[in-house]
Amino acid sequence: KQEVTQIPAALSVPEGENLVLNCSFTDSAIYNLQWFRQDPGKGLTSLLLIQSSQREQTSGRLNASLDKSSGRSTLYIAASQPGDSATYLCAVVASGGYQKVTFGTGTKLQVIP
Amino acid sequence: GAGVSQSPSNKVTEKGKDVELRCDPISGHTALYWYRQSLGQGLEFLIYFQGNSAPDKSGLPSDRFSAERTGGSVSTLTIQRTQQEDSAVYLCASSFMFRNYEQYFGPGTRLTVT
Repeated sequence: KQEVTQIPAALSVPEGENLVLNCSFTDSAIYNLQWFRQDPGKGLTSLLLIQSSQREQTSGRLNASLDKSSGRSTLYIAASQPGDSATYLCAVVASGGYQKVTFGTGTKLQVIP
Repeated sequence: GAGVSQSPSNKVTEKGKDVELRCDPISGHTALYWYRQSLGQGLEFLIYFQGNSAPDKSGLPSDRFSAERTGGSVSTLTIQRTQQEDSAVYLCASSFMFRNYEQYFGPGTRLTVT
């Protein structure tokens, strides 16, 4: 059974700092890994998707890496801004069978002005 | 194009009543997922559809919960005899093989059972 863990559960940083969020998964048989952000009371917004054959994806100040063999992904946020404050979730899609999706429990980020 | 839509956005119901929640996925998306998120908690998987079939219903918490999908498009999640513990945000997502199964989420339905 796939288990996805995100550490830390919460993080508070001053504005402008670079930061890394971690996502670990137990079963490396994945099709892709997706990072989302969720603002309070809102749905999930997709940030980056990394296919299993890829090592990283970049979008603006965000960079996500994937090391399938070690079961880890990181989301790097450069020059953090107060608007980055949200909960960040990672999700893995299983390969083989059907596309079962397993979510991590999230990291709640607060960027202090 | 249009994203995933859900209706209603908010629903307040009395304990014991039945409710129906609707999800309209992105046109052409064959996979559809329902999740539940209780206050301050993570996402809880409920059910997965591929086309109109539901190969994985393992997340439905009790037989009071059911879901169907018609025409490979709209899905309805029905909760019978609602209980207070059913209060949560119900989220729907859709994806498509030729888009690498990237999940697109709707805004959710906030259900409050009084």
